[in-house]
Amino acid sequence: AQSVTQPDIHITVSEGASLELRCNYSYGATPYLFWYVQSPGQGLQLLLKYFSGDTLVQGIKGFEAEFKRSQSSFNLRKPSVHWSDAAEYFCAVYLGGGADGLTFGKGTHLIIQP
Amino acid sequence: EAQVTQNPRYLITVTGKKLTVTCSQNMNHEYMSWYRQDPGLGLRQIYYSMNVEVTDKGDVPEGYKVSRKEKRNFPLILESPSPNQTSLYFCASSLRDRGPYEQYFGPGTRLTVT
Repeated sequence: AQSVTQPDIHITVSEGASLELRCNYSYGATPYLFWYVQSPGQGLQLLLKYFSGDTLVQGIKGFEAEFKRSQSSFNLRKPSVHWSDAAEYFCAVYLGGGADGLTFGKGTHLIIQP
Repeated sequence: EAQVTQNPRYLITVTGKKLTVTCSQNMNHEYMSWYRQDPGLGLRQIYYSMNVEVTDKGDVPEGYKVSRKEKRNFPLILESPSPNQTSLYFCASSLRDRGPYEQYFGPGTRLTVT
């Protein structure tokens, strides 16, 4: 069965430092890939998505992600984090071709240190 | 404003007392879905609907029912809630021609069953 792995449950980063959140998927074909952010008490907001084409995708709030087929990865990055980036981040995949919903990773909780 | 709304946002109930969580979207989306979010498990799909009167089970449908009588509404029904249904619930919607992957999420409903 397909799966999405976010190996880091918690990550702590100093404000202004760079950030990379890891995501790996397990599936034979290339799925559609997403990153969502969930701020405290809020629903999920789509940060960016990859369907095909350029493997480096830009999203909202200064985030980007790079798809690496050889590593089955879709890591999220930001060059300089802000305190407002503290949130839960979810990687998700959609395999296409049917009505199934997204398959989510278990999430990475990002803590920003002043 | 385009949005997905859920009511109530918070609910505490007792085992066995039937309840309904409402979900409504104002974007004329065909596809709607319910997820539950549990610590360490990420989001898991409960039920989804491709259109009016078309619903199907997701990954964790046991103990839940849904209906889709109108395009904008997709209520989640717990006929006899149990403590293991204590969770954070999200409704989501998307345009069918974009697949279920470009989903807009509601703010969530935190349910506690005692």
